[in-house]
Amino acid sequence: EAAVTQSPRNKVTVTGGNVTLSCRQTNSHNYMYWYRQDTGHGLRLIHYSYGAGNLQIGDVPDGYKATRTTQEDFFLLLELASPSQTSLYFCASSAGLGGSYEQYFGPGTRLTVL
Amino acid sequence: AQSVDQPDAHVTLSEGASLELRCSYSYSAAPYLFWYVQYPGQSLQFLLKYITGDTVVKGTKGFEAEFRKSNSSFNLKKSPAHWSDSAKYFCALETSSGSWQLIFGSGTQLTVMP
Repeated sequence: EAAVTQSPRNKVTVTGGNVTLSCRQTNSHNYMYWYRQDTGHGLRLIHYSYGAGNLQIGDVPDGYKATRTTQEDFFLLLELASPSQTSLYFCASSAGLGGSYEQYFGPGTRLTVL
Repeated sequence: AQSVDQPDAHVTLSEGASLELRCSYSYSAAPYLFWYVQYPGQSLQFLLKYITGDTVVKGTKGFEAEFRKSNSSFNLKKSPAHWSDSAKYFCALETSSGSWQLIFGSGTQLTVMP
């Protein structure tokens, strides 16, 4: 079964702090994604990647960096966290890009920026 | 601009009733449409998708959805509903031309009373 794991599951930081959220998939999928989920907005795509070293900009990238170090690992970096980045973050993976490819989601990381 | 609207933030019904969750989209080209479900405390899971072909698509857990181009809708249906269907349901639109986007609606919280 497809597996996507995220760490940490919960994180509290202060305004201006540095945060790194980690995602690992063992699906041998090419594509990985970072989303944030906020009440009233559904999921919004931050960044995605189609392989190690690749990064594509999503719909809400401001304030976020991301890095895909291997096929398995995709990191989301908040270098100067702000309260507006308090959210539930999901990572996902898929074999390809497009309608034929289902996305598999991780359990989520709840981030609070005080 | 492309968008997805789920007009009902909350739906409550009794077990055994028929459920229909509404989703409408705005997109000028042929859409790819998805439904995902999020059970309490869990991540999103894929339910079904419409890419092309039959306008009624069947998915997992006894759900089906009907694509109606005439009114740009992709409503999710199940009969009868079971208390275990209580969850948050997200409709998503994937663009099929131009730059790739996956746009989620804000979700419908479904409560099925036993």
